[in-house]
Amino acid sequence: DTAVSQTPKYLVTQMGNDKSIKCEQNLGHDTMYWYKQDSKKFLKIMFSYNNKELIINETVPNRFSPKSPDKAHLNLHINSLELGDSAVYFCASSQIHEQFFGPGTRLTVL
Amino acid sequence: QKEVEQDPGPLSVPEGAIVSLNCTYSNSAFQYFMWYRQYSRKGPELLMYTYSSGNKEDGRFTAQVDKSSKYISLFIRDSQPSDSATYLCAMSVRIQGAQKLVFGQGTRLTINP
Repeated sequence: DTAVSQTPKYLVTQMGNDKSIKCEQNLGHDTMYWYKQDSKKFLKIMFSYNNKELIINETVPNRFSPKSPDKAHLNLHINSLELGDSAVYFCASSQIHEQFFGPGTRLTVL
Repeated sequence: QKEVEQDPGPLSVPEGAIVSLNCTYSNSAFQYFMWYRQYSRKGPELLMYTYSSGNKEDGRFTAQVDKSSKYISLFIRDSQPSDSATYLCAMSVRIQGAQKLVFGQGTRLTINP
């Protein structure tokens, strides 16, 4: 069974559109994260939620808005998509030290 | 200066070779030191983590941390073609129940049969 799942796996859209990525974990973890991995494979944290509370909010444009409806879900909504938003977005969850990553959502903005 | 520096490679070695991957860091607040492996088009998976200076061994993998020099290494013995992947070092600080990971740029490793 998949521990951390993301939908969709691929997302191709036009500049200016609004899109959402969904993440679910079935590990019973309290903490979830969103990361962005650019074309050079550099992986950078964006947000973290602990028990539905926003804990980490890195320097991310306001167009990105995370939302955690419950401990097992963390969604990412992106408004007014720009070319520079093209990347792979990873969701992760953790209980103590180890973070378990999802398979990633490859976003391409045309 | 980036908080975590890692040589992006690429690194190509023959099967059976010993591989050494390294990272340096600048933030003394980092508490945990990790190595993740990422296969192409997959999410990163944790290989090893440690929180103190010294060596930690797990099968063919050895993680080494030198906090005084702010330097960490991953050694892979008897490397196999299945070890071909991108290796990411990561350091963390704990923030209110969450763990903020700061990653290196990743080193792409290829093991040639």
